[in-house]
Amino acid sequence: GAVVSQHPSWVICKSGTSVKIECRSLDFQATTMFWYRQFPKQSLMLMATSNEGSKATYEQGVEKDKFLINHASLTLSTLTVTSAHPEDSSFYICSARDPSTSARTGELFFGEGSRLTVL
Amino acid sequence: AQSVAQPEDQVNVAEGNPLTVKCTYSVSGNPYLFWYVQYPNRGLQFLLKYITGDNLVKGSYGFEAEFNKSQTSFHLKKPSALVSDSALYFCAVREGSYQKVTFGTGTKLQVIP
Repeated sequence: GAVVSQHPSWVICKSGTSVKIECRSLDFQATTMFWYRQFPKQSLMLMATSNEGSKATYEQGVEKDKFLINHASLTLSTLTVTSAHPEDSSFYICSARDPSTSARTGELFFGEGSRLTVL
Repeated sequence: AQSVAQPEDQVNVAEGNPLTVKCTYSVSGNPYLFWYVQYPNRGLQFLLKYITGDNLVKGSYGFEAEFNKSQTSFHLKKPSALVSDSALYFCAVREGSYQKVTFGTGTKLQVIP
């Protein structure tokens, strides 16, 4: 199946700094990627839809200036948490569809997730 | 709007016994239904999907799910549970060609040795 790689797996940063998380589709080109946030013992909350070559579409209540998304190529999307604070600590997961299959059928392929801890 | 419900936060089952993880959905059109599994501090792994065709769908690791249109359900099942099946399971729905996939709240499966 399609492989999505996410990096870093774990990151610890000081309050006020910015952190960048990368999401790569390794064996397919993804025109659309999705960024989720998962709180402990809770479901995935869709933050934004990342579209290659255009602006991301953010879900209601998600601060676009806080969570910067860039999708500069067909295999890479990045999420930058700007001026991070402890309440931004969470598990962030990206996903993508393989256009050769799942654009039609809808299944998503997920990265391994990134655990962000802001001190 | 599409939605999905997983009524059980946690399901406990003895190893070797059959397991069922429940899921119901709501869409206005034809549903695309999915099950994903998540191990601690990991991303989600795709288990199986229902798009059309047979109501009984077979997936990875011996799991299967039954689509029931009249009950709007898509319960996940396995005939004999393994300790290694212990994880968090998510049901998800997509309505036709609509881009977004909506996830349920997840059910923690605990298989007891």
